[in-house]
Amino acid sequence: DQQVKQNSPSLSVQEGRISILNCDYTNSMFDYFLWYKKYPAEGPTFLISISSIKDKNEDGRFTVFLNKSAKHLSLHIVPSQPGDSAVYFCAAIRDDKIIFGKGTRLHILP
Amino acid sequence: EPEVTQTPSHQVTQMGQEVILRCVPISNHLYFYWYRQILGQKVEFLVSFYNNEISEKSEIFDDQFSVERPDGSNFTLKIRSTKLEDSAMYFCASSLLEPGTGQHYSSGNTIYFGEGSWLTVV
Repeated sequence: DQQVKQNSPSLSVQEGRISILNCDYTNSMFDYFLWYKKYPAEGPTFLISISSIKDKNEDGRFTVFLNKSAKHLSLHIVPSQPGDSAVYFCAAIRDDKIIFGKGTRLHILP
Repeated sequence: EPEVTQTPSHQVTQMGQEVILRCVPISNHLYFYWYRQILGQKVEFLVSFYNNEISEKSEIFDDQFSVERPDGSNFTLKIRSTKLEDSAMYFCASSLLEPGTGQHYSSGNTIYFGEGSWLTVV
């Protein structure tokens, strides 16, 4: 039962351009959505969140958009930098746990 | 930047053996979690812990698993009799606020993850 889906396993983006990572969910009861970034052999690190009552949250180069009618959220990174190469997990909060998507591996090309 | 620390970083164990994975959550946090990630798959919730008891657990967290906060600083995950399919990266996490309480998630009050303990069962 995939409640949080990231349908693109990988994405390659030129350095300096915009990276757009997508995520779909099935449960309209989620309270918050979060994006985590993960480097190999490290734990996930929090990037940015959005409440289910908002449609946009911005923090520096990172912006998350939430479209509740489509049950879709996206993470925009602009401009993309080499250090952004990592796996990005979309996650949703319900009750007492986070539910993660499978992740999208972002490659920033020189 | 506060951090969650986990030991060991990597453990190899024989099938059927007991394993204990240790975590030191951030000191003023109240909620503790274990997650795991099997290679190539998504990060999966195992268990959450608050006020010295399990508050929620997933179907993965069967009788072979247990958690404990023995001394007020460590938070441990024990697997009593390991199986091959227990091979995974196990992540400990902690948070100050209970998820879903309506508090805003920001870099200051979110769920922090440790770097993981890689368990290989042979």
